[in-house]
Amino acid sequence: DAGVTQSPTHLIKTRGQQVTLRCSPKSGHDTVSWYQQALGQGPQFIFQYYEEEERQRGNFPDRFSGHQFPNYSSELNVNALLLGDSALYLCASSHFKRQGRHQPQHFGDGTRLSIL
Amino acid sequence: RKEVEQDPGPFNVPEGATVAFNCTYSNSASQSFFWYRQDCRKEPKLLMSVYSSGNEDGRFTAQLNRASQYISLLIRDSKLSDSATYLCATLYNQAGTALIFGKGTTLSVSS
Repeated sequence: DAGVTQSPTHLIKTRGQQVTLRCSPKSGHDTVSWYQQALGQGPQFIFQYYEEEERQRGNFPDRFSGHQFPNYSSELNVNALLLGDSALYLCASSHFKRQGRHQPQHFGDGTRLSIL
Repeated sequence: RKEVEQDPGPFNVPEGATVAFNCTYSNSASQSFFWYRQDCRKEPKLLMSVYSSGNEDGRFTAQLNRASQYISLLIRDSKLSDSATYLCATLYNQAGTALIFGKGTTLSVSS
């Protein structure tokens, strides 16, 4: 049973560049959420995708965008990178139609993004 | 604005000690709460879900106090392997499964 997989593991970019991060959800899951975790902080919710649409969004600028594909995998795109975008980006999956008390999210290993 | 706040760390305890972390939340409508464990530079892993007054799993006990809007995590007989950061979370809103996390509390268990 494959868990949540993310790629790449590490990435180094420079200010102003654009980056795309990828996530495949756990088998049987159809909802993908993205989080940003800065050093010493808890994960911050970016957005959630279900049925190829953005369903919920946290307090992040439009530079952060995403996409979900028919196979439930997802991409996170960040444009015009800033130094402050350096963080661990976590993807989590769950099953939308079984939301509620028994649907905790399962996290991938994350992509560590460094901006120079 | 929803917020989740946790006890400042780090907590440094000897093996065998009992340690408790508290987490307060600002949204009185929150129904579901979670404790995640995160090892250094790793992904968060679900430790325990809390929906009613509390939950117990071996050495770990979580309690929910709705009147005071806090949840606690009690770890008994601490092991070296319990050293990690413990994250408290609740649902971002009741319509989905996205989470809002606290900053985390770091526990260090020493021999």
